[in-house]
Amino acid sequence: KQEVTQIPAALSVPEGENLVLNCSFTDSAIYNLQWFRQDPGKGLTSLLLIQSSQREQTSGRLNASLDKSSGRSTLYIAASQPGDSATYLCAVTSGGSYIPTFGRGTSLIVHP
Amino acid sequence: GAVVSQHPSRVICKSGTSVKIECRSLDFQATTMFWYRQFPKQSLMLMATSNEGSKATYEQGVEKDKFLINHASLTLSTLTVTSAHPEDSSFYICSASTGGREQYFGPGTRLTVT
Repeated sequence: KQEVTQIPAALSVPEGENLVLNCSFTDSAIYNLQWFRQDPGKGLTSLLLIQSSQREQTSGRLNASLDKSSGRSTLYIAASQPGDSATYLCAVTSGGSYIPTFGRGTSLIVHP
Repeated sequence: GAVVSQHPSRVICKSGTSVKIECRSLDFQATTMFWYRQFPKQSLMLMATSNEGSKATYEQGVEKDKFLINHASLTLSTLTVTSAHPEDSSFYICSASTGGREQYFGPGTRLTVT
């Protein structure tokens, strides 16, 4: 059974810092890995989707990497802004499933 | 494209009553819809998977008589929480798929049972 862990659980940084959020998974036979953003009381916004054959994806100030062999993914946020404050969720879809397994998320606060 | 809506966004009901939550795919046909539940500071937990026109498949530990799911059309699925109790208070999120592995998530519904 796939298990997804996100570290740290919470993070508070000053504006402008570059950040790394970590996601690890136990079963490396994955189909894809996705990073989501969730604002308080809101649904999920997809940020980046990495297929199993890919090593990284970039969108604006966000860069996500994937290392299947070590069971890890990182989400890099450059030049953080207060508007980046949210919970970031990592979800892994395993090779034999259509259902993603979610981590508990990293709660990020970027203060001015 | 690929927009999913949920209604209502927030609902407060009294213990013992039933409440219905709608999930709609606005610009695509969803052959499969999923219902998740999220407690504070917890990850999303899948409750059930429903395919249009057939009975939903519930995850282990989810009471199918309590959480009634109907997927009557390719754009609408409903979740009815019957005889709700305070412990059912949670954030319910649906997602929709066209049959592939990508899911499109709705904005969620906050249910509070008093």
